[in-house]
Amino acid sequence: AAGVIQSPRHLIKEKRETATLKCYPIPRHDTVYWYQQGPGQDPQFLISFYEKMQSDKGSIPDRFSAQQFSDYHSELNMSSLELGDSALYFCASSLAGGGSYNEQFFGPGTRLTVL
Amino acid sequence: QKEVEQNSGPLSVPEGAIASLNCTYSDRGSQSFFWYRQYSGKSPELIMFIYSNGDKEDGRFTAQLNKASQYVSLLIRDSQPSDSATYLCAVNNQGGKLIFGQGTELSVKP
Repeated sequence: AAGVIQSPRHLIKEKRETATLKCYPIPRHDTVYWYQQGPGQDPQFLISFYEKMQSDKGSIPDRFSAQQFSDYHSELNMSSLELGDSALYFCASSLAGGGSYNEQFFGPGTRLTVL
Repeated sequence: QKEVEQNSGPLSVPEGAIASLNCTYSDRGSQSFFWYRQYSGKSPELIMFIYSNGDKEDGRFTAQLNKASQYVSLLIRDSQPSDSATYLCAVNNQGGKLIFGQGTELSVKP
């Protein structure tokens, strides 16, 4: 079965640079979530989109922005990168607006390293 | 206090034994509960979900939910070394976002 696709899988950036992470949800899934997982920590919710509209927002820095496109893929844009942004970034997708009873399936993640 | 609490472990069990993982949550309005398995450096993999009080079984895994006690558990029967991983409990209150516990590290010894 098709899974969530994320690219790139690894990314190395310098401080103050920008980065763009991409997520392609499971076919027919209409809701995308972004999570950040620091070393030794649990995943933290950043932001979600349903039908190309932002549906919820968590602890996402103002330096980050995201959007969902007409083909349901999503991009997370990160500017003025800081050392503390080094983490695993996961995208997850679900069906039907991502209500409380819909399972979320995670992509393989993008490992971002900021030097 | 975190919204979702788990014992961080490590929990060590011998091969073939039952591993019991526990999770408590603070929001009584929580509606759905998920167990994910995560190997080091990999993404969370959905194992079980449960919405109603009681038990739900899927193969070697059983999820248990007690909303009155705000308690969720995961039992793994006939534990195998390949089950060694971090198990994340996640709660979905409303709107879809998952709130995770800090995870329990499970080690199954051959």
